[in-house]
Amino acid sequence: EAGVAQSPRYKIIEKRQSVAFWCNPISGHATLYWYQQILGQGPKLLIQFQNNGVVDDSQLPKDRFSAERLKGVDSTLKIQPAKLEDSAVYLCASSYGTTDTQYFGPGTRLTVL
Amino acid sequence: QKEVEQNSGPLSVPEGAIASLNCTYSDRGSQSFFWYRQYSGKSPELIMFIYSNGDKEDGRFTAQLNKASQYVSLLIRDSQPSDSATYLCAVQGAQKLVFGQGTRLTINP
Repeated sequence: EAGVAQSPRYKIIEKRQSVAFWCNPISGHATLYWYQQILGQGPKLLIQFQNNGVVDDSQLPKDRFSAERLKGVDSTLKIQPAKLEDSAVYLCASSYGTTDTQYFGPGTRLTVL
Repeated sequence: QKEVEQNSGPLSVPEGAIASLNCTYSDRGSQSFFWYRQYSGKSPELIMFIYSNGDKEDGRFTAQLNKASQYVSLLIRDSQPSDSATYLCAVQGAQKLVFGQGTRLTINP
């Protein structure tokens, strides 16, 4: 069974530029999550989808971050414009249901200069 | 008060000894508890989960849960250098999984 796929693996941009990340969850997983992990900290949930609907986006900085999950499978997370403090690893995870075990993708390491 | 608290370490344990990792949480309604291992530069991978009070063993790993004290721990027996990593405690609330900051564990040969 294929795991969670993410791309790109690494991205370097300058502040005020925009960037987008892509995630393909494990087949059959209805729930998809985007986390931000800053160095030395645990992952912080940004947004959670159940199929193509948003379950929780309370910690998503909506003035600059957006995410969508069209057709309830793949998802994209966008940052526009990026700030220095957005430098982090962006992790995508998926699970069968909202309380089931989450499996993580390899992450995208974003550096904002 | 943080929702999930862990000692950030580093915790240094000699090879072959027992490593003990601890975690406390604030939400009394939490139902599920997870331990993830994260190697440097890698994504978290699930080691164990526990739902009920008491101990749950899987190979060299034992998870312990005490809901009355809002405490969950992970014991690693016969620690190996390959166990050196950051261990993340995660607590499932009503809809959201909340992670602690992680404890960095180093096993010394």
